[in-house]
Parts: sequence; C-alpha cells; structure tokens
Amino acid sequence: GAVVSQHPSWVICKSGTSVKIECRSLDFQATTMFWYRQFPKQSLMLMATSNEGSKATYEQGVEKDKFLINHASLTLSTLTVTSAHPEDSSFYICSPGAGPNTEAFFGQGTRLTVV
Amino acid sequence: AQSVTQPDIHITVSEGASLELRCNYSYGATPYLFWYVQSPGQGLQLLLKYFSGDTLVQGIKGFEAEFKRSQSSFNLRKPSVHWSDAAEYFCAVAFNTNAGKSTFGDGTTLTVKP
Repeated sequence: GAVVSQHPSWVICKSGTSVKIECRSLDFQATTMFWYRQFPKQSLMLMATSNEGSKATYEQGVEKDKFLINHASLTLSTLTVTSAHPEDSSFYICSPGAGPNTEAFFGQGTRLTVV
Repeated sequence: AQSVTQPDIHITVSEGASLELRCNYSYGATPYLFWYVQSPGQGLQLLLKYFSGDTLVQGIKGFEAEFKRSQSSFNLRKPSVHWSDAAEYFCAVAFNTNAGKSTFGDGTTLTVKP
C-alpha cells in the first residue's frame, strides 16, 4: 500500500504559538490531501481538503485563518495551527486522496498538546 | 448527507469468544465501506474494505464483514477474539471517487477479558 509519512508524531507547544504538521506521500503523487482531527474518545472529523496548487476547502465550522493548509507539491501538504490554544489540543491525521476502487491511506497522526 | 452509526460505544468480550461490531450507514448510492482499528495514540489500520462483488469480505487478523444492502449494514465479525484485539474500531463510508474523504462512525471500544 501507499506510504504516508506524517511529522511530527507528537508536539507540545505554548499557548499562542504556531505549530506546523507535515504530511508526505512517499511513493505516489497526491493531488488531494484530507486533514482530519480527532478529539479524545471521539471519531475522526474531516477538517479540510487541500488541493495541490490551489486553495484548500474547509468544512463548516473550521476556521481557515487558524488552520492554514498548504499543498505546495504533489508529495507534501502542511497544516499549520496558528495561535494555538488548549482547545486545539487534538490528534491530527492526514490522508492522501485516493482514486476510485482504492482504499484510503493515513498518516501516523500528530498528537498536539497546547499548554 | 452520508452518515455512519456504530450503535455500541463499548463492548467487552472474553478472550476466545466471538465478536460482532455493528455498523449502519446512510448514503444515497452504493457506498465504499471500511473498517479500521486504532490502538491508543496510534494511527488507523485498515482491517477490510468493501467496494463491490461478494458481500462477505475477509480482512486481516481474522476479521470479516458482511455488507447487507437491505439493512444498510456492514457488521464486523471475528470468531475468536484475542487479547491483542482490544482497541478502538471505526466503520467508515467513502464516496466512490475518493476513498480518502471518508465519513467515520463514532467508534466502538473493544475490551477483552482474560
């Protein structure tokens, strides 16, 4: 299956700072990347969809100015949590867009803790 | 809009016993259906998937699932549970054009008693 590398796997930051999460597709080109957020004991919720070379599409209720997504190349998409607050503490997971009749692949996830 | 329901929040079974985790979906067309397992602090691992064809699908670790269109269900089963199966299980539905954009159920936590 496809290899997706997400970095860092965990990060602790101070309130008010920004954190960047990288998601790389190592063995295929991803024109689309899906970013999910998972709060403790909850399910994964789609936050946004990034498209290589164009603006990301955000789900309802997700602040685009707070969660900056960049999809600069076919193998790299980044999510930056700006001015992080404790309520942003969560598990963030990326998933490259898959074509029809293929399964989804997920990064290992990033555990963000804002103190 | 599509939705996925996992009626059981938490299930406890004894090691060696059989297991069935329920999943119901609401979707206007034939869905792509998935079951994932997640250990604490870890990412998702695909157990099995259904796209079309045989409605009984086999997955990894001895799991299987059956797609029942009439019941809009895709229940996960295992005949004999091992202690290492204790984890969180998610059922998911995707558009047939892009499996990466999935709608997930709320998950079922499986506890295995010795």
